[in-house]
Amino acid sequence: AQSVSQHNHHVILSEAASLELGCNYSYGGTVNLFWYVQYPGQHLQLLLKYFSGDPLVKGIKGFEAEFIKSKFSFNLRKPSVQWSDTAEYFCAVNPPNFGNEKLTFGTGTRLTIIP
Amino acid sequence: EAGVTQFPSHSVIEKGQTVTLRCDPISGHDNLYWYRRVMGKEIKFLLHFVKESKQDESGMPNNRFLAERTGGTYSTLKVQPAELEDSGVYFCASSPWTGGSNTEAFFGQGTRLTVV
Repeated sequence: AQSVSQHNHHVILSEAASLELGCNYSYGGTVNLFWYVQYPGQHLQLLLKYFSGDPLVKGIKGFEAEFIKSKFSFNLRKPSVQWSDTAEYFCAVNPPNFGNEKLTFGTGTRLTIIP
Repeated sequence: EAGVTQFPSHSVIEKGQTVTLRCDPISGHDNLYWYRRVMGKEIKFLLHFVKESKQDESGMPNNRFLAERTGGTYSTLKVQPAELEDSGVYFCASSPWTGGSNTEAFFGQGTRLTVV
């Protein structure tokens, strides 16, 4: 069975600081990788995804993530955070098997940006 | 285009009562998923519909949970009778049927269920 680990439960940063949130997964085959974000009072929305190809993926709002297969990692990065990035961030995976697209999520990382 | 909509946004019920959560997926999305997040833990898969059929219900906790998707449109998730450990946020997601894999799921805002 697959699992996802997000080691940072709560991260507090000042505006303009650089961000890196860790995500490691455990699965013996090919996976699709996702980062979702939930802003206060809003729905979960997709930040970025990796299916195949270039392991450095660009997402919305200046976020990017790098898939490192040898490390089973998909860390999320942003060079300079803003107050509006305060939210909860979830890493998720699913195996790219037909008819089996259920997601396995990490526990989430709460990000607080101090103005 | 309307997104995934869930009703109610918040429900507080007493232990032993029944609650029904509703999810309206994005129009035309054949795949519909239910997930649950118990406080402080990960979001966990409950089940997956393809149209009106249950494709995978391996995540359903026990037989107090019943999900339906009559007509392949909206879905309901009934908890009867509710227990304290059922408290959490219930998310619904939908995605289009592409005939293959690599699809993106779109989530609703969740229903926060509190059992007291």
